[in-house]
Amino acid sequence: GAVVSQHPSWVICKSGTSVKIECRSLDFQATTMFWYRQFPKQSLMLMATSNEGSKATYEQGVEKDKFLINHASLTLSTLTVTSAHPEDSSFYICSARPQSGTGASYEQYFGPGTRLTVT
Amino acid sequence: GIQVEQSPPDLILQEGANSTLRCNFSDSVNNLQWFHQNPWGQLINLFYIPSGTKQNGRLSATTVATERYSLLYISSSQTTDSGVYFCAVAQAGTALIFGKGTTLSVSS
Repeated sequence: GAVVSQHPSWVICKSGTSVKIECRSLDFQATTMFWYRQFPKQSLMLMATSNEGSKATYEQGVEKDKFLINHASLTLSTLTVTSAHPEDSSFYICSARPQSGTGASYEQYFGPGTRLTVT
Repeated sequence: GIQVEQSPPDLILQEGANSTLRCNFSDSVNNLQWFHQNPWGQLINLFYIPSGTKQNGRLSATTVATERYSLLYISSSQTTDSGVYFCAVAQAGTALIFGKGTTLSVSS
């Protein structure tokens, strides 16, 4: 249980184009999803938190107009990198937390990641 | 915000050796997770352990929440244990914040 998928697993795009990455919770509903970015040999850095049906909350230094996040349903969040540039090349990882209930756990489940290369 | 420190940053072992990885955090947390990142980048969830002790095969973890640290033990290490181990913590309702990781290299 608690599987999170991402699509695509890797993508190459040209500078100036936009790329959409999908994150799905396959066997649970997630009111909250998170997007992280990881540069080579570095740790994961939180980009934004998205709650189903509301606007995402972005971390300081993350451009909200460049990284558009939509969390339209309890099982799907999308990250769109608009007008991509080579410096946006990175490994993007999403995470989801199941809806809370009795005996709530705060455990987060991670997708396999999307490797973006902008040429 | 909450700070997460992992030590050591790098660890080199011979196959069969035991190791202990440490994670210190600066404030009380509701979530603490240990991950192993494989060569393809996928995070393998090792433990969800905001407090107490858990064991899974050759791996075990202990979190002492009152003293704000967690330990990950790897026994009888194998070459397939190589990779980066991350500790991540969160307070209620917030996202996991990751430490910088420990890079483990196990040689045969």
